[in-house]
Amino acid sequence: DVKVTQSSRYLVKRTGEKVFLECVQDMDHENMFWYRQDPGLGLRLIYFSYDVKMKEKGDIPEGYSVSREKKERFSLILESASTNQTSMYLCASNPDREQETQYFGPGTRLLVL
Amino acid sequence: AQSVTQPDIHITVSEGASLELRCNYSYGATPYLFWYVQSPGQGLQLLLKYFSGDTLVQGIKGFEAEFKRSQSSFNLRKPSVHWSDAAEYFCAVGPINSGYSTLTFGKGTMLLVSP
Repeated sequence: DVKVTQSSRYLVKRTGEKVFLECVQDMDHENMFWYRQDPGLGLRLIYFSYDVKMKEKGDIPEGYSVSREKKERFSLILESASTNQTSMYLCASNPDREQETQYFGPGTRLLVL
Repeated sequence: AQSVTQPDIHITVSEGASLELRCNYSYGATPYLFWYVQSPGQGLQLLLKYFSGDTLVQGIKGFEAEFKRSQSSFNLRKPSVHWSDAAEYFCAVGPINSGYSTLTFGKGTMLLVSP
């Protein structure tokens, strides 16, 4: 069965902290994605990766960075967390074939105080 | 740039009644089209997708969607709603012949089911 896991369901951090959100998939997928989800705004793509050590900016990369050292793991990094980064963060993955279904993790709800 | 519009933020339907959720897209050509559902506290699950061929697509949980090129629409339907269908529904589009399989999502429609 397809599985995407995220390291935390809920996270509370303080302004200025460095925050790591981890995502792991067990399907040997080439592509991985990070989205943030906010009420009334839907899902917005932050970054994605199509291979180990490769990354591409999405629609809203400002204030974020990513790391993909292993194929199964894709990390989202908030270098200095701010209150406007309070949000739900969703990770997804899919195989490297055109428009294959994206499989989503359960999400991490981040609160920055 | 491609965009997706879901004109209804909330919809309330009585249990057993039929459902139609609207989705319109803006794109230069026919894109790939998806509907996802998100139950409370969960990630997104694919309901159905359209790539080509028959414009009426069947999905899981009794959902179907119809692609209408002339209207740039991909509306989701279900003939009889169950209380467990209460969730948020997202329409998404993806470009054909793109190097990467990124998606653009609509802002979602929250479905409430009344007894």
